[in-house]
Amino acid sequence: DAGITQSPRHKVTETGTPVTLRCHQTENHRYMYWYRQDPGHGLRLIHYSYGVKDTDKGEVSDGYSVSRSKTEDFLLTLESATSSQTSVYFCASRAQQGTDTQYFGPGTRLTVL
Amino acid sequence: DQQVKQNSPSLSVQEGRISILNCDYTNSMFDYFLWYKKYPAEGPTFLISISSIKDKNEDGRFTVFLNKSAKHLSLHIVPSQPGDSAVYFCAARIVGNEKLTFGTGTRLTIIP
Repeated sequence: DAGITQSPRHKVTETGTPVTLRCHQTENHRYMYWYRQDPGHGLRLIHYSYGVKDTDKGEVSDGYSVSRSKTEDFLLTLESATSSQTSVYFCASRAQQGTDTQYFGPGTRLTVL
Repeated sequence: DQQVKQNSPSLSVQEGRISILNCDYTNSMFDYFLWYKKYPAEGPTFLISISSIKDKNEDGRFTVFLNKSAKHLSLHIVPSQPGDSAVYFCAARIVGNEKLTFGTGTRLTIIP
């Protein structure tokens, strides 16, 4: 498995506060992804990156921004957290274009009160 | 609009028997399919995949079958073991598109 870590693993915050989640991978993978997992929805793509400083939106990107200044780090920011953003967030990475597998991190459980 | 559907939220199977997990999709543009397994408090881990040019792919105890005309795929686990108890997600993508579309998952419980 790819070495992917996420921090923090758990966070409780209040509505309206900014939150940043970090994903770090040690495999030099080019592609990185942020997903959220909610009951009844499976995993849904928020944003992804196809290289340093190259990012694009997924299907549920409203309220989220991302940044990738280094190959190994992909940050997800909630500019002003809302209760609807309470979820489990997973980061994933993939080596190259094509049919290669995405490898997932352990997840961050975020609660917005 | 759920383009990838796993209609069985849960499944219980006796240890040693066959587990069959099903997945249906609606988008005919999907041409690559994956199964992921997820334990509680962990991220999903890749299990097996299949390209649309094949109708079967096998890896040890795990076999995935694809029926393109029915837009249906299934994962067979034989024989089922207690460590197979987990949530299984099927996912689909269009080659060249970064987006993986996931189903809602099926919780498999193997009964000793």
